[in-house]
Amino acid sequence: KAGVTQTPRYLIKTRGQQVTLSCSPISGHRSVSWYQQTPGQGLQFLFEYFSETQRNKGNFPGRFSGRQFSNSRSEMNVSTLELGDSALYLCASSLGTGMAQETQYFGPGTRLLVL
Amino acid sequence: KNEVEQSPQNLTAQEEEFITINCSYSVGISALHWLQQHPGGGIVSLFMLSSGKKKHGRLIATINIQEKHSSLHITASHPRDSAVYICAVSGNQFYFGTGTSLTVIP
Repeated sequence: KAGVTQTPRYLIKTRGQQVTLSCSPISGHRSVSWYQQTPGQGLQFLFEYFSETQRNKGNFPGRFSGRQFSNSRSEMNVSTLELGDSALYLCASSLGTGMAQETQYFGPGTRLLVL
Repeated sequence: KNEVEQSPQNLTAQEEEFITINCSYSVGISALHWLQQHPGGGIVSLFMLSSGKKKHGRLIATINIQEKHSSLHITASHPRDSAVYICAVSGNQFYFGTGTSLTVIP
């Protein structure tokens, strides 16, 4: 079975732009979660999607949004980019019965640099 | 305020040493996760547990729900165990520890 894939792997943007990142979960997995990792803050939870609905949300501003499609693929969008948004963005998938009690399978991440 | 605290932050061990990494948390949880991250970013889930103890090969994870504490043990450590180990707790969202950077020297 193919693992979680994320595209693009690397991205450079400038302040004020917006960006869309994509995540394809493991086949059969219905839950997708997104995380941000920075040297200063470490790993932080962004949100979780299940059946095209946001099920849980972390403490990030509204500039961070996401969606999930009927095939479980997910995208996250960051609008009006700030320098502090430079980070590794990871997504993870799980079967979907409940993020809280499921093993998460992580993708390789998208490294975003904001100049 | 950190919901999840890990110790130590850095750890250097000789090959074959027994290693323990500790994790304490302050929020109500559904489960606790131990993750491994190698240089380059890839994260692998090692354990998910909500009670007791789990073992996989040379790795053992324990959790004490009453004390809100978990430990990850590596027996007979090997240089390939060198990585960052991250403790995370899940409920309505995930909270992560800052990670323990482990280096195992041959």
